[in-house]
Amino acid sequence: AQSVAQPEDQVNVAEGNPLTVKCTYSVSGNPYLFWYVQYPNRGLQFLLKYITGDNLVKGSYGFEAEFNKSQTSFHLKKPSALVSDSALYFCAVRDMRASKIIFGSGTRLSIRP
Amino acid sequence: DAGVTQSPTHLIKTRGQQVTLRCSPKSGHDTVSWYQQALGQGPQFIFQYYEEEERQRGNFPDRFSGHQFPNYSSELNVNALLLGDSALYLCASSLDRRGNTIYFGEGSWLTVV
Repeated sequence: AQSVAQPEDQVNVAEGNPLTVKCTYSVSGNPYLFWYVQYPNRGLQFLLKYITGDNLVKGSYGFEAEFNKSQTSFHLKKPSALVSDSALYFCAVRDMRASKIIFGSGTRLSIRP
Repeated sequence: DAGVTQSPTHLIKTRGQQVTLRCSPKSGHDTVSWYQQALGQGPQFIFQYYEEEERQRGNFPDRFSGHQFPNYSSELNVNALLLGDSALYLCASSLDRRGNTIYFGEGSWLTVV
């Protein structure tokens, strides 16, 4: 079965510092991986995806993610955090057999001024 | 270009009642999926509609049903509401059943009292 795990419930970073939000995956076959962000009382916004190709994927709002097949990881990164990046971040994997998205439990990112 | 739109944004229902939530997919998208996001959790897949038929279903009881119309819009119906049905209901659309990017609406907040 396809699954993703987000080992950190919360990540705290000072504004201007680099940030990393961790995600590991378990899939059979080639993984289709995604990151979504959710601001308070809002729906999910697509940030980026990995289907194939370069291991470093660039997305919206300056975010990028690094796909690492040997470590089965897909960590979300940003070189310099902004206070406005504070939100709930979800890693997800596409279950191609069932045509659905499977989400992790989410990581709350808090950026302090 | 309008994204995925959902209505209503908030509603309160009493236990035992029935509710209908509505979704219009992003322009050009013909596949609609519904997700339930309980407080503090990641979204859980309910079902997917394509060509006006339910194609995939998650682990939800028959009280949850849906419909897709010829214009690709969709409804989610929940009968005999329980307190545990209180959640954010998210609609997602994609270009087709295996569309690699899935876009979400802002969601409908359902509170069952």
